[in-house]
Amino acid sequence: AQTVTQSQPEMSVQEAETVTLSCTYDTSESNYYLFWYKQPPSRQMILVIRQEAYKQQNATENRFSVNFQKAAKSFSLKISDSQLGDTAMYFCAFGETSGSRLTFGEGTQLTVNP
Amino acid sequence: GAVVSQHPSRVICKSGTSVKIECRSLDFQATTMFWYRQFPKKSLMLMATSNEGSKATYEQGVEKDKFLINHASLTLSTLTVTSAHPEDSSFYICSARAWTSGKINEQFFGPGTRLTVL
Repeated sequence: AQTVTQSQPEMSVQEAETVTLSCTYDTSESNYYLFWYKQPPSRQMILVIRQEAYKQQNATENRFSVNFQKAAKSFSLKISDSQLGDTAMYFCAFGETSGSRLTFGEGTQLTVNP
Repeated sequence: GAVVSQHPSRVICKSGTSVKIECRSLDFQATTMFWYRQFPKKSLMLMATSNEGSKATYEQGVEKDKFLINHASLTLSTLTVTSAHPEDSSFYICSARAWTSGKINEQFFGPGTRLTVL
């Protein structure tokens, strides 16, 4: 069974600065997908970024980028130029395929301070 | 596009009653839908996988007789909490896996349903 671990329950950052959220996972699969989801106070799950394991290039989406280290089973999320609207709970998740059941980490509550 | 709705968004019921939660994919077809449960300030835990036209697959520890899942069409899955008790109070979230051109195998989440059992 896969496990996903987020070791930072809470983090804070000043507006316009950069913050990195950590995630590690465990699996015996060779190909899989990793995701970062954002859950704002509305509790709607929003996909932030997705990485397919066989792709060596790190995914980027505007201000969001990942550092995917397959051998280390590490998948961190970097948020650049943090904005107040980035305040949310962030979940790291593992899926065997793009649309498969997801295993979520415990979450990191990110607060962006003005 | 790719909108998933849940109804109701909030429900309060008395202990012992049953509650039905609907999950609909509004602009795409979904052969598979997932049901998750989230306790306050906690992560999402998968309860079951719902496949259109077949029986749901439940995760270990989830009572299938208590959490009845029906996926009767390509756009609708329902979760019925039978004989609800206060410990069933939680936030229930569905997600739908798209099977429509341009979105194949992408997964989209509903806005969630808050269930409170008195």
